Amino acid sequence: DAKTTQPPSMDCAEGRAANLPCNHSTISGNEYVYWYRQIHSQGPQYIIHGLKNNETNEMASLIITEDRKSSTLILPHATLRDTAVYYCIVGPRGFQKLVFGTGTRLLVSP
Amino acid sequence: DVKVTQSSRYLVKRTGEKVFLECVQDMDHENMFWYRQDPGLGLRLIYFSYDVKMKEKGDIPEGYSVSREKKERFSLILESASTNQTSMYLCASSLRSGAETQYFGPGTRLLVL
Repeated sequence: DAKTTQPPSMDCAEGRAANLPCNHSTISGNEYVYWYRQIHSQGPQYIIHGLKNNETNEMASLIITEDRKSSTLILPHATLRDTAVYYCIVGPRGFQKLVFGTGTRLLVSP
Repeated sequence: DVKVTQSSRYLVKRTGEKVFLECVQDMDHENMFWYRQDPGLGLRLIYFSYDVKMKEKGDIPEGYSVSREKKERFSLILESASTNQTSMYLCASSLRSGAETQYFGPGTRLLVL
């Protein structure tokens, strides 16, 4: 069963913020939200994760709604190199496997 | 930076051949994983290992076996390759049990004819 729902594709202009949504309405109290991305012909790359507070690192920001049923990954100033498939994953801390869905294909254009 | 390397980027094999895919990580990670990625199906876990000589089946272990004789190396073995094993194979590692971040290699694209 899919635990997350993401739009199949999104477009963003270079230099603008890319906001990628994810629905996870059945998330459990001990499950975290993780984001990975996969650039063409490369392996997936970890971006960020969070439980219920908003998180920020050098790559992105993660905004989780108060009810934790959805989240948004924000790339504040998208570049052409951010063109990739972005995966939203939920799982408890300490889980051993990542279950990737089909993700959102983000195209950043000049 | 963590580096996960895979022995080949592209591989072509014939049906029935025994195939070895090698993965090496250089950061003393305890956990290592093998996934396959197919269009429309996302990544699926084949096997993982949380210690030397230890292995656990993932979601799709049939037709595969693994070997972890040294901490840094995790091998995926296709005992008798079949055409439905044509796929992208991705190796990953993580520091320890409970670590959220998995580091992936570049992948091996395997074609079985």
